[in-house]
Amino acid sequence: DGGITQSPKYLFRKEGQNVTLSCEQNLNHDAMYWYRQDPGQGLRLIYYSQIVNDFQKGDIAEGYSVSREKKESFPLTVTSAQKNPTAFYLCASSIRQGLTDTQYFGPGTRLTVL
Amino acid sequence: AQKITQTQPGMFVQEKEAVTLDCTYDTSDPSYGLFWYKQPSSGEMIFLIYQGSYDQQNATEGRYSLNFQKARKSANLVISASQLGDSAMYFCAMRETYTNAGKSTFGDGTTLTVKP
Repeated sequence: DGGITQSPKYLFRKEGQNVTLSCEQNLNHDAMYWYRQDPGQGLRLIYYSQIVNDFQKGDIAEGYSVSREKKESFPLTVTSAQKNPTAFYLCASSIRQGLTDTQYFGPGTRLTVL
Repeated sequence: AQKITQTQPGMFVQEKEAVTLDCTYDTSDPSYGLFWYKQPSSGEMIFLIYQGSYDQQNATEGRYSLNFQKARKSANLVISASQLGDSAMYFCAMRETYTNAGKSTFGDGTTLTVKP
């Protein structure tokens, strides 16, 4: 079964700690993305990667870091520099459809800072 | 300026009736894609339907159709024969081919509640 997996589903972090959220896809998609969603709001782009070993900052990259060493994997690290990290984090990958790419999403990770 | 505007924070519909969720967009890019996603309470974003800016016909996928009015820059989602399982948050999104290539913009969402 092809899809996007994110782990863990729930994550608790103490203030001052770095945490890494996992995102893996077996859809053979080139591009991958990380979004943050706060309660009752839309999605905001953190980082995206269109090809292995390359990534770009999104709209709210401060306090986050990523790597893209393999096509299948795009882990997100939430660093202690992120002032308000409690949120729902969604990973996506995309494939060309018509004029542009269609994104498909993983199940998400809910991060809570204690 | 907001690139994607969803003016209905919440909508109610009776089971088995049709409902329209509004979406307007703003772009000067001649080539773009418009998308609708469903987010149930579990949190996962589920892709529903896609419309390309050059497509002559409105997109349809089962009970979902996209009412695309290019001159008005609107891309409303129509759900026919609503079911209780349609209760969720719905997001409209746009992806421009040239401007901000590689990035999608999402609206703030509309919460749909289907009443039995």
